[in-house]
Amino acid sequence: GAVVSQHPSRVICKSGTSVKIECRSLDFQATTMFWYRQFPKQSLMLMATSNEGSKATYEQGVEKDKFLINHASLTLSTLTVTSAHPEDSSFYICSARDLGHPVAIYFGEGSWLTVV
Amino acid sequence: QQQVKQSPQSLIVQKGGISIINCAYENTAFDYFPWYQQFPGKGPALLIAIRPDVSEKKEGRFTISFNKSAKQFSLHIMDSQPGDSATYFCAASTGGTASKLTFGTGTRLQVTL
Repeated sequence: GAVVSQHPSRVICKSGTSVKIECRSLDFQATTMFWYRQFPKQSLMLMATSNEGSKATYEQGVEKDKFLINHASLTLSTLTVTSAHPEDSSFYICSARDLGHPVAIYFGEGSWLTVV
Repeated sequence: QQQVKQSPQSLIVQKGGISIINCAYENTAFDYFPWYQQFPGKGPALLIAIRPDVSEKKEGRFTISFNKSAKQFSLHIMDSQPGDSATYFCAASTGGTASKLTFGTGTRLQVTL
């Protein structure tokens, strides 16, 4: 099956610093990648949609200057949490739409961010 | 406005039993309905999906039943096993290349011995 890799799986950063999370589609090209945030025992909350070579589309209430998304190629999207604060601590998950099979969306393993 | 309603919130089933999770949607433009399985600390994994042109799809022990007129779909897990214990999310999308998934609230399934 299609594989989406996220890195790092866990990261701890100090308050005020920035941290970057990578999302790669390993065996397919992704026209569109999505970034989600998930709180414990809750559903996935879509943060933004990124398309290769264009600006990301952010969901209402998501600060675009705080959560920078770059989709540099058909296999890589990055999420940078800038000036992180403890309230940004969460589980971040990316997903990707397969260019060859555009209906299916595959998820990465997620990245735990802890801001101390 | 929640466009995909999922129930129950949690479910306990004995080993060998049938687990049933239900979802209802409102947007008639939805035409792709996947189910995802998520284990603690992991990302969701695509389990099975259906398009509205069929009423049922089966893959191994997992079956999706789809009722277009009622705007409902359900996941049935036959012969439930302890390894099936996870959170299950239904989702829906319009299926276009620009579409995004709308998720249900999730069901925590526990399969007991």
